Amino acid sequence: AQSVTQLGSHVSVSEGALVLLRCNYSSSVPPYLFWYVQYPNQGLQLLLKYTTGATLVKGINGFEAEFKKSETSFHLTKPSAHMSDAAEYFCAVSDRRYQKVTFGTGTKLQVIP
Amino acid sequence: NAGVTQTPKFRVLKTGQSMTLLCAQDMNHEYMYWYRQDPGMGLRLIHYSVGEGTTAKGEVPDGYNVSRLKKQNFLLGLESAAPSQTSVYFCASSSHVNPYNEQFFGPGTRLTVL
Repeated sequence: AQSVTQLGSHVSVSEGALVLLRCNYSSSVPPYLFWYVQYPNQGLQLLLKYTTGATLVKGINGFEAEFKKSETSFHLTKPSAHMSDAAEYFCAVSDRRYQKVTFGTGTKLQVIP
Repeated sequence: NAGVTQTPKFRVLKTGQSMTLLCAQDMNHEYMYWYRQDPGMGLRLIHYSVGEGTTAKGEVPDGYNVSRLKKQNFLLGLESAAPSQTSVYFCASSSHVNPYNEQFFGPGTRLTVL
């Protein structure tokens, strides 16, 4: 079975500050890992994904995440928060069959001017 | 190219009523999924389909039925709605060709059961 834990249901940062959203996963096989973003009243869209290879993954809008197998983590970072980053972020892990995805409970990011 | 669309966007039901949510995708994807999103619980998989004519149960299938008669459509039915089914429902699709592919999501249907 696979699972995802996101630490912190709400995170507040000042505009221009570092964004760090934490995600730990559990998987019995090498995982595929994803970060999705959901803006208010919209569906989810992919920010970035880790499949194999390079452990530092770059995504859209300046976000990146690092896969650390020893820590079973896949934290999302952005060096400088922008007001437009305010949204809910979901970490997810996929099995390798039928691409069934297990989502974390989400972290709402608030950016303070 | 509309991607994944969902009908309706909003709906209010009374307890015991039935309804069908429609999901359509124009990306020729084999896999389709229905999720529900509730505050603090993330997205939970209701049912999914790996191809036309096939469906399977997800994490929270009780009270829902699905059908995939055409490759591009995936229907979610509530036979007798209950207040516990008040939620936002998302449909998603993905390609079977590349196992790394992400899921593409529709805009959601907000359902309230009174």
